[in-house]
Amino acid sequence: KNQVEQSPQSLIILEGKNCTLQCNYTVSPFSNLRWYKQDTGRGPVSLTIMTFSENTKSNGRYTATLDADTKQSSLHITASQLSDSASYICVVSLLTFNAGNMLTFGGGTRLMVKP
Amino acid sequence: DAGVIQSPRHEVTEMGQEVTLRCKPISGHDYLFWYRQTMMRGLELLIYFNNNVPIDDSGMPEDRFSAKMPNASFSTLKIQPSEPRDSAVYFCASSPDRDPYNEQFFGPGTRLTVL
Repeated sequence: KNQVEQSPQSLIILEGKNCTLQCNYTVSPFSNLRWYKQDTGRGPVSLTIMTFSENTKSNGRYTATLDADTKQSSLHITASQLSDSASYICVVSLLTFNAGNMLTFGGGTRLMVKP
Repeated sequence: DAGVIQSPRHEVTEMGQEVTLRCKPISGHDYLFWYRQTMMRGLELLIYFNNNVPIDDSGMPEDRFSAKMPNASFSTLKIQPSEPRDSAVYFCASSPDRDPYNEQFFGPGTRLTVL
């Protein structure tokens, strides 16, 4: 069964600190992995996308890594800001022509950055 | 572009009433998706359309749920009759084509509360 597991479920850090969120998946055949940021009261917005051959991808203070062998990904946030408080969702795409079932969503990590 | 537009943003209704959620996808996008998000189950795909045609509705919980897409710029999700367990945030997303590398762009969501 295709699954995406994220840890931790929630995290509280102080402003300026770094943190790392984890994502493990069993989706196969794998196409790509995205990290979404979902602010409270808003829809998810894509931060990064990585394909099978990519190990790391950065978007400003966000750096995602992918180990396709162990089926693990991480999202590292550097020098956190209050605006980083949000849920971060790991989404893995199947290599399929069925657009409907090609995405498997993780349960998300709720990050709170405190001043 | 204004992005995916959903209305209403919030809906409070009583059990047994009909609820209609509305979505305007991004112009030119061929795919439209309806999702439901709850704390317990995360994001779940309900149904998706390709070029206004429903392709897969296997995620629709039961016959009380129905969705239509009369044209390329409008879709509705209807719940009749509504029940308290339908309380959730409902997201609409659109995507330009079925390439799995393409991002799904999410609307702001409709928070539904059924009393």
